[in-house]
Amino acid sequence: DAGITQSPRHKVTETGTPVTLRCHQTENHRYMYWYRQDPGHGLRLIHYSYGVKDTDKGEVSDGYSVSRSKTEDFLLTLESATSSQTSVYFCAISEWASGSYEQYFGPGTRLTVT
Amino acid sequence: GNSVTQMEGPVTLSEEAFLTINCTYTATGYPSLFWYVQYPGEGLQLLLKATKADDKGSNKGFEATYRKETTSFHLEKGSVQVSDSAVYFCALPNTGGFKTIFGAGTRLFVKA
Repeated sequence: DAGITQSPRHKVTETGTPVTLRCHQTENHRYMYWYRQDPGHGLRLIHYSYGVKDTDKGEVSDGYSVSRSKTEDFLLTLESATSSQTSVYFCAISEWASGSYEQYFGPGTRLTVT
Repeated sequence: GNSVTQMEGPVTLSEEAFLTINCTYTATGYPSLFWYVQYPGEGLQLLLKATKADDKGSNKGFEATYRKETTSFHLEKGSVQVSDSAVYFCALPNTGGFKTIFGAGTRLFVKA
């Protein structure tokens, strides 16, 4: 199994508070991604990174920011959490191997905003 | 850009039944194609892939053949087990390459 951990695994927070989710990898993969998964919406890309300090927006980036100060860590921050950000958040990593970019996913963080 | 469409679920089967989950794609060129599986409470994991036309990917009894004539990559298994109950995602890379486009997912329930 790819070495990807996410913390925390579960969090309940109040509307308006800042929240930071952490993704940590031990695979030295260049690419890292944050997704959210919601019923009826499938998997949606929030932000991604293609190297240290190199990040870009995905399809649902409003209200989220990211940072990657070293290869192994990719942080997702909700500056001021809203109820619409209640979701399950997945981190993924990838690298070019065997003719393709396979993605490896972390176990997820379940976030509830009350 | 590239896109993928997979059959809606849920799909409910009895143990030992034959499984097909349809997936069709639109793409520039011939990108790699993937099936990912998500078991309850877990993240997605790669189930199988095919990197060129006419390739067959296989793993854990599941198979899918990359068919460029029909732009399809249908997932099949000859005899499903209760432990196969999960959500299955068809996927392919975006036009640029390192981002992945996922289908909506098909939930499979297998009854004993």
